[in-house]
Amino acid sequence: EAGVTQFPSHSVIEKGQTVTLRCDPISGHDNLYWYRRVMGKEIKFLLHFVKESKQDESGMPNNRFLAERTGGTYSTLKVQPAELEDSGVYFCASSQAIGLSRYEQYFGPGTRLTVT
Amino acid sequence: QKEVEQDPGPLSVPEGAIVSLNCTYSNSAFQYFMWYRQYSRKGPELLMYTYSSGNKEDGRFTAQVDKSSKYISLFIRDSQPSDSATYLCAMSHTTSGTYKYIFGTGTRLKVLA
Repeated sequence: EAGVTQFPSHSVIEKGQTVTLRCDPISGHDNLYWYRRVMGKEIKFLLHFVKESKQDESGMPNNRFLAERTGGTYSTLKVQPAELEDSGVYFCASSQAIGLSRYEQYFGPGTRLTVT
Repeated sequence: QKEVEQDPGPLSVPEGAIVSLNCTYSNSAFQYFMWYRQYSRKGPELLMYTYSSGNKEDGRFTAQVDKSSKYISLFIRDSQPSDSATYLCAMSHTTSGTYKYIFGTGTRLKVLA
């Protein structure tokens, strides 16, 4: 079974540009999460999808960040326009929708975003 | 004050030692406690999770939760150089129907051959 995949693995952009990150969850996982780790800090929650619906977006930093999950499969996270403080590693995770499995979140390898 | 506190280390131990990794937390609503292992430039890998209090064992790994003290531990027996990684604790509660994790900063572990 394929794990969570993320693309690209690394992105370097200039301040003011737009970047779109993609996450493909494990097949059949209705729950999809985005997290971010900025340098020296802990991994922090950004938002949670259940299928195509946003369940919780309390961690989204501001309106420069837009997440979508059309069709309830893969998800994209767009940053527009990017700022220097957006640099960090963006992780995607997914979990099943049943019982305690909802808490077993499987993480992707992350996308390292560098804004210069 | 952070909701979850974890000593960043690094923690260096000789091969074969028993390793104890710990996290403390402040939110008594946490019920689900996870341990992840993260190798450099990789994503976090789920090791174990525990619901509420008690112990859980899986091979060389034992997770303990003491809710009265708001303290969780991960023990690694017979540590190996391949165990060298960053260990992250994460916690969740069931309010509002979301299962988001609150993470500690991670403890870097080095097992010396």
